[in-house]
Amino acid sequence: DAGVTQSPTHLIKTRGQQVTLRCSPKSGHDTVSWYQQALGQGPQFIFQYYEEEERQRGNFPDRFSGHQFPNYSSELNVNALLLGDSALYLCASSLMQGWETQYFGPGTRLLVL
Amino acid sequence: AQTVTQSQPEMSVQEAETVTLSCTYDTSESDYYLFWYKQPPSRQMILVIRQEAYKQQNATENRFSVNFQKAAKSFSLKISDSQLGDAAMYFCAYRGYSGSARQLTFGSGTQLTVLP
Repeated sequence: DAGVTQSPTHLIKTRGQQVTLRCSPKSGHDTVSWYQQALGQGPQFIFQYYEEEERQRGNFPDRFSGHQFPNYSSELNVNALLLGDSALYLCASSLMQGWETQYFGPGTRLLVL
Repeated sequence: AQTVTQSQPEMSVQEAETVTLSCTYDTSESDYYLFWYKQPPSRQMILVIRQEAYKQQNATENRFSVNFQKAAKSFSLKISDSQLGDAAMYFCAYRGYSGSARQLTFGSGTQLTVLP
């Protein structure tokens, strides 16, 4: 049973650039959530996708956007990168109905120079 | 808004001993879920144990157990017979029952060191 996968594992960008991160959910899951984890801190919720729509959003600017595809995979896009966007980006998948435990992928480490 | 507080940034335990990690939370909801996740240096966030707030019985998973005190809004994790592989950052997390509260809210984490 394949778990949650994310790509790429590491990424280096410069200020002002745009980045796209990808996530494939655990088999059977239909909901994808994205989190940002700064160094030494707990993850912060960015947004959640279900049925190809953004269902919930945390306190993040519009520079952060996403998409969910019919196969439930998801993308996180960040425009106009800032130094402060450097972090570990975690994707978690779950089922919208029932007991929703979120299972996490290995994350993408983004460094903005 | 819900908040989760972990007041122990670092803890250490001798191998084979028992350690307890603390977590408190603030919420106005009556139904919710609580989780402990483990994050080793590999970065993968791994679910350790979960607790439904409506259940009075404390959850257990092998060497891991919780002490859930709903009135006190406390949710501590006890690790028995600690092993070197238990060394990691541990995060306490809260999730509401439905609607807009379904996202996970994490604490700041406790770094656990296991001494041989």
